[in-house]
Order: sequence, then C-alpha cells, then structure tokens
Amino acid sequence: KNEVEQSPQNLTAQEGEFITINCSYSVGISALHWLQQHPGGGIVSLFMLSSGKKKHGRLIATINIQEKHSSLHITASHPRDSAVYICAVRYTGNQFYFGTGTSLTVIP
Amino acid sequence: DTEVTQTPKHLVMGMTNKKSLKCEQHMGHRAMYWYKQKAKKPPELMFVYSYEKLSINESVPSRFSPECPNSSLLNLHLHALQPEDSALYLCASSQVVAEKLFFGSGTQLSVL
Repeated sequence: KNEVEQSPQNLTAQEGEFITINCSYSVGISALHWLQQHPGGGIVSLFMLSSGKKKHGRLIATINIQEKHSSLHITASHPRDSAVYICAVRYTGNQFYFGTGTSLTVIP
Repeated sequence: DTEVTQTPKHLVMGMTNKKSLKCEQHMGHRAMYWYKQKAKKPPELMFVYSYEKLSINESVPSRFSPECPNSSLLNLHLHALQPEDSALYLCASSQVVAEKLFFGSGTQLSVL
C-alpha cells in the first residue's frame, strides 16, 4: 500500500530543456504532494493536488487518478531548478508516504 | 509569515549528552511533525502533533522525546543517542493533519 515510485532517479538536463519527473503509486489516494529539496536540506512545497492539473510559473503538475500516476513538468529549465524533487501521497489516513526522490541537475 | 523556523541548524553531541531541537511557526497551523532524513533517502515520519496532542508516534525509540508546549512550538528532546541517529531532522507544520506541509530547513545532527 505504501509504495510510491519515482522516475527517473537521476536526471541531467541542459538549460532550457523541458523536464518531466514521474510518480506512480499502488492504490487510491486522497492527495499528492510535490516537494523540492535543495542541497542543505530545506524542503519547499510546490503543489498539492487530488485531480487535474496545477500550474505555477514554469512548473506544471498533473495527476491521473485512474492510472495512479502524476507528473511534474518544468519548462525552460534553469540551473537554479537543480534540486531533489519528491512526490508524497496521502492515502485514507493522516500520513504522507514519500517517494525516494528524483535528483535533477540542470547544466548551463 | 509563512516560515517554519528550526534551531539549531547544526548540532554535534556525544552519546551521553542531552540536547533539544526547537521548531516554531506562526501561521496558526494546528498540526506539527518531526521527520528524520538520512542522506539520499526520503524523510521518515517520527511524530505528529494535532492540536498540541501527540497523534502519531511511529515506534520511535524513547531516546527521542517530543514536546508541544503550545500551538506554535514543537521540541524534540534528545538523550543517549547512538551514532546511527545522525541525520537531518526536519520539522513541518500544516493547517490541520495531512494538509499541505510547510517544512523548516532542518537541524543537521551528528552523534559522536
């Protein structure tokens, strides 16, 4: 029940490229959280969604409830986007279950 | 104010020491969390407080003792830790349990 799979594990992109990070989960969820963690530790919440699509600046998050899958897209990637991106899902209880993260490096 | 503030940022302690980690938020959130994160691993939930009451304890050893003195403050008291307890300790808060999480920048703990 707790499995949250992210792909790819590591991703290197050239500045300006369009990036997609994927998250899959095993059973129905009530919400999904995309988080960003920079080196040094701080975690920033990017999106929380339970259906459809959300957009903020160059970031877009989508979720397909039937396929149990979410994607995080970054358009016109920039070196400052280099970070670990973590997907966390909430099932019916009160906890979030975290994926293992995708480490993104954007090269100038 | 949308910040969760954690102190100290770094802590080195011996196995016989007693120390405390502190976390503070002024967003009016009524849920607060402690997570432990090892290098290159996702955060692991330790404790959840909801309306200042402990609602989840993920079978954490008793050498970690949480305390929530009021709705803005969360402490983690440490005693007789082991070297394997060295990790990044993250505090988070949310409006109520299981809503959008706001994280602090963490305390990097080293146990010698």
